[in-house]
Amino acid sequence: QKEVEQNSGPLSVPEGAIASLNCTYSDRGSQSFFWYRQYSGKSPELIMSIYSNGDKEDGRFTAQLNKASQYVSLLIRDSQPSDSATYLCAVRTYNTDKLIFGTGTRLQVFP
Amino acid sequence: SAVISQKPSRDICQRGTSLTIQCQVDSQVTMMFWYRQQPGQSLTLIATANQGSEATYESGFVIDKFPISRPNLTFSTLTVSNLSPEDSSIYLCSAGGQPAGGGEQYFGPGTRLTVT
Repeated sequence: QKEVEQNSGPLSVPEGAIASLNCTYSDRGSQSFFWYRQYSGKSPELIMSIYSNGDKEDGRFTAQLNKASQYVSLLIRDSQPSDSATYLCAVRTYNTDKLIFGTGTRLQVFP
Repeated sequence: SAVISQKPSRDICQRGTSLTIQCQVDSQVTMMFWYRQQPGQSLTLIATANQGSEATYESGFVIDKFPISRPNLTFSTLTVSNLSPEDSSIYLCSAGGQPAGGGEQYFGPGTRLTVT
């Protein structure tokens, strides 16, 4: 079983819609959760971090964490074509500095 | 957040040679990491660069192939030795990761290596 799993996509949504990206993880000791956006040919850019159960909102982005279900998600409201990218979920487990990355979900927002 | 630069941004190297990649952070950081990202794939951690001690390598990566230096809290180098076409990849440096700070990591722009 992979440690961090994401659907590879592509996830296609129309402009203005809500994009929902999902991630599951296997280690119950995981403490910190991150979403990175990676445009083609560019390096990953940190867009959200979440550490406790519930929702965390930042502009059009909302991260949701459910530790009991070992599930973290990213919602992008009012999706724009500029949001088209690969979104990487990353997890830091207890007492370590390392991040474990999922394989990423490719998001396509069409006009 | 830390601002990270890498040099070179890209290089084409011949088989059997080596490439050294430099990573500079604009502030002192405790943790620096080196990743590899092969085309269409996610990030694979090569090693954690420890200041003042040897790097900590992940399974499948060895010091002879990927020697790493970390002379201070703002700088690290990764050398990819005895290059083969299988080493063609993007190499990324990241910084941060302090547990007290939540563990966020910030990435440099990457180095695209092509081995011919």
